Amino acid sequence: LAKTTQPISMDSYEGQEVNITCSHNNIATNDYITWYQQFPSQGPRFIIQGYKTKVTNEVASLFIPADRKSSTLSLPRVSLSDTAVYYCLVGDQGGNAGNMLTFGGGTRLMVKP
Amino acid sequence: GAVVSQHPSRVICKSGTSVKIECRSLDFQATTMFWYRQFPKQSLMLMATSNEGSKATYEQGVEKDKFLINHASLTLSTLTVTSAHPEDSSFYICSARRETVYEQFFGPGTRLTVL
Repeated sequence: LAKTTQPISMDSYEGQEVNITCSHNNIATNDYITWYQQFPSQGPRFIIQGYKTKVTNEVASLFIPADRKSSTLSLPRVSLSDTAVYYCLVGDQGGNAGNMLTFGGGTRLMVKP
Repeated sequence: GAVVSQHPSRVICKSGTSVKIECRSLDFQATTMFWYRQFPKQSLMLMATSNEGSKATYEQGVEKDKFLINHASLTLSTLTVTSAHPEDSSFYICSARRETVYEQFFGPGTRLTVL
């Protein structure tokens, strides 16, 4: 299984850019990287997914270096409502969901005014 | 699209009773549904994987006779916590996946409190 390692917590201020890095040294060739956001007492919400280089959507960017052993979720200009736990998951897209269902510890982001 | 609901959102029961939690995919057919448990300040832990029409696959350490899972249709999976005890109090979350879409769609969760 491709285990993931993230910082336990991070603090930021409103309007700043936040970068959360996830290590996944054992990532396999078929594995994709997906990030979820979870607010207290809610189910996780999909943020972004990528395989290599850079992916950007309306809420975040995902940077993946060439060796794919890590990835960085970038949240531009965070607001108080971005305070949540962010999970990085790694798994293949071919139907083997085993890796994808292993949630790591997540990163608890606190955005301050 | 891709909305998953859970019912109830919150339940309080007495020790020894059974509780059923429903997970529905509202606008798509879910060939596979997953059940997670999350204790306070902890990450999600996969309990079991259910495929429509077949028996659920339980993760190591999860008692299949205590946590009964039924996936009778492509839009509904149920988790029944039998003879619940206070240590079963937790946040239960389901997710659903379509056949050709890799992404999991999560439900809002069910807070179970066993007195």
